[in-house]
Amino acid sequence: NAGVMQNPRHLVRRRGQEARLRCSPVKGHSHVYWYRQLPEEGLKFMVYLQKENIIDESGMPKERFSAEFPKEGPSILRIQQVVRGDSAAYFCASSPRGAVGETQYFGPGTRLLVL
Amino acid sequence: QKEVEQDPGPLSVPEGAIVSLNCTYSNSAFQYFMWYRQYSRKGPELLMYTYSSGNKEDGRFTAQVDKSSKYISLFIRDSQPSDSATYLCAMSANDDYKLSFGAGTTVTVRA
Repeated sequence: NAGVMQNPRHLVRRRGQEARLRCSPVKGHSHVYWYRQLPEEGLKFMVYLQKENIIDESGMPKERFSAEFPKEGPSILRIQQVVRGDSAAYFCASSPRGAVGETQYFGPGTRLLVL
Repeated sequence: QKEVEQDPGPLSVPEGAIVSLNCTYSNSAFQYFMWYRQYSRKGPELLMYTYSSGNKEDGRFTAQVDKSSKYISLFIRDSQPSDSATYLCAMSANDDYKLSFGAGTTVTVRA
């Protein structure tokens, strides 16, 4: 009974490179949420996606960040031209119906380090 | 002012002690209240879930919500070294799926 899977678990990039973070939700879940955790801070909502649709990207920085959840395959969070301030843990969560108040199940996270 | 305030600690207690954690919040629209446990280098794991005001008990864990004071608490009785983790409060509004998190309180239970 696999939970949310994320890879890679650790990612090191130099400034200016691209980072791609992948998330496979719990089997049967079609709703995915991405959160970012900066050091000494709580998780901050970034984006909410259903299959092939971005529902809410109000927490995403306007530039360099994008997310997708294709019909087949994992959800991808993409960060272009990374900067040191992008260093953080990125967590993906999933839920079965996307209903308000529904439990969100979190993955182990991807820890991005930008040199 | 942050939407959800949580004292980061750290908190160190002897085994068997009661651990008391709390969060305050400013958004009166919050209706769903959660506590997540996060072990070092792992993802958050849901521990307790409460809707609106009231108490909820699950084994050694008790969650309390006081909406009039905008204050939530988590109590861990008979704490064990395996309870050593960071505890995150989270909440969401009745018309929203986004979770708003506290910064987390790091707890160490000494054997």
